[in-house]
Amino acid sequence: QSVLTQPPSVSGAPGQRVTISCTGSSSNIGAGYDVHWYQQLPGTAPKLLIYGNSNRPSGVPARFSGSKSGTSASLAITGLQAEDEADYYCQSYDSSLSGSLFGGGTKLTVL
Amino acid sequence: QVQLQESGPGLVRPSQTLSLSCTVSGASISSGGYYWTWIRQHPGKGLEWIGYIYYSGSTYYNPSLKSRLTISVDTSKNQFSLKLSSVTAADTAVYYCARGDSTPQDSWFDPWGQGTLVTVSS
Repeated sequence: QSVLTQPPSVSGAPGQRVTISCTGSSSNIGAGYDVHWYQQLPGTAPKLLIYGNSNRPSGVPARFSGSKSGTSASLAITGLQAEDEADYYCQSYDSSLSGSLFGGGTKLTVL
Repeated sequence: QVQLQESGPGLVRPSQTLSLSCTVSGASISSGGYYWTWIRQHPGKGLEWIGYIYYSGSTYYNPSLKSRLTISVDTSKNQFSLKLSSVTAADTAVYYCARGDSTPQDSWFDPWGQGTLVTVSS
């Protein structure tokens, strides 16, 4: 069972804004460790979307943004597009695990 | 452009050892600065960090797999490898290799290999 909790699913209409939450604890996000986000399109490997809480790799549209506060982090997607339909995962370090940890994933459906 | 490619058997018998390799192109493992990582995804499920290795051979393993896991690096071949012993059907998954950036405590993974499905079955 993941100790980074994400909603199983979110949905939104094209053009809308959606957010995906990632709730952790004092041994991971709350301890100050960075949060990273990945997008996994159907049948493909995950792709880095956000690193270091809020940084976008080159090539990732500015529609994607990340934030972190306390024991939680969020991924926001504005101007939703059909191509954004995918699974999204958060990831951080956990001091109890002494290793990296992924959230359970959130399936984004574009209505 | 850094690319990673997994290779190894797609079918492993129960109780045997799962062995995979990841070949890195476009970068040299021995240059340092990165943590070479294995991650798996059970069918229809989320991602599970397996472990990573630094070019020097330092390793970090998921405690849940540690007793069965060995990750090694061959800088001469620019490859790193995973061995998971005493496998069961629960080890059936898509196995990904990836490059971990920054420190182990703040590492993100980019890029990823395409993944390889390993099925444990008799």
